[in-house]
Amino acid sequence: GQQLNQSPQSMFIQEGEDVSMNCTSSSIFNTWLWYKQDPGEGPVLLIALYKAGELTSNGRLTAQFGITRKDSFLNISASIPSDVGIYFCAGQMNSGNTPLVFGKGTRLSVIA
Amino acid sequence: GAVVSQHPSWVICKSGTSVKIECRSLDFQATTMFWYRQFPKQSLMLMATSNEGSKATYEQGVEKDKFLINHASLTLSTLTVTSAHPEDSSFYICSAWTGSSYEQYFGPGTRLTVT
Repeated sequence: GQQLNQSPQSMFIQEGEDVSMNCTSSSIFNTWLWYKQDPGEGPVLLIALYKAGELTSNGRLTAQFGITRKDSFLNISASIPSDVGIYFCAGQMNSGNTPLVFGKGTRLSVIA
Repeated sequence: GAVVSQHPSWVICKSGTSVKIECRSLDFQATTMFWYRQFPKQSLMLMATSNEGSKATYEQGVEKDKFLINHASLTLSTLTVTSAHPEDSSFYICSAWTGSSYEQYFGPGTRLTVT
């Protein structure tokens, strides 16, 4: 199946540092989403983006929907230990009733 | 609101047996449900799209006779892994769409181990 190109694959950072990860696609998506998954659990939605160029924040998280509709990035500011986990980007052709295409994930480790 | 549950949360079965996994939308009606599979340290891959009252649409490479999906009501979809083999061991996750919102809601996943 199709997958998005997500980078980096993994990151080790010090507590308090900022983090940036991004996702690119060869296809256009009308919705970009960012999820966090803890071990043994389902993904939890962090931010949803519905318009090209849109910049949206959720607390310390900020994400942008690329103007070409083929990319998105997620920034986490002032990381804390509970930010540890795997972050996935996902693209969706149409909102709601179409399946999500996921990136390969970014594994984030935070060193206290 | 918008809670999706899965049952069981984990299951161990012997090779050759069948196992059923349930996905329920607890506080909304789900017009469409999706089933994903996630192997260790990998991403979620779509297996099938399930619409209430109609046959599921399977992704290329997913055997519909092996992974039986039933979406008999607006709050329940089931995935039955028939004649399970060790290579079917994976984390199975469902998501549900309300029919009116942009968002899909994910279940907590079911860990299947086939011995």
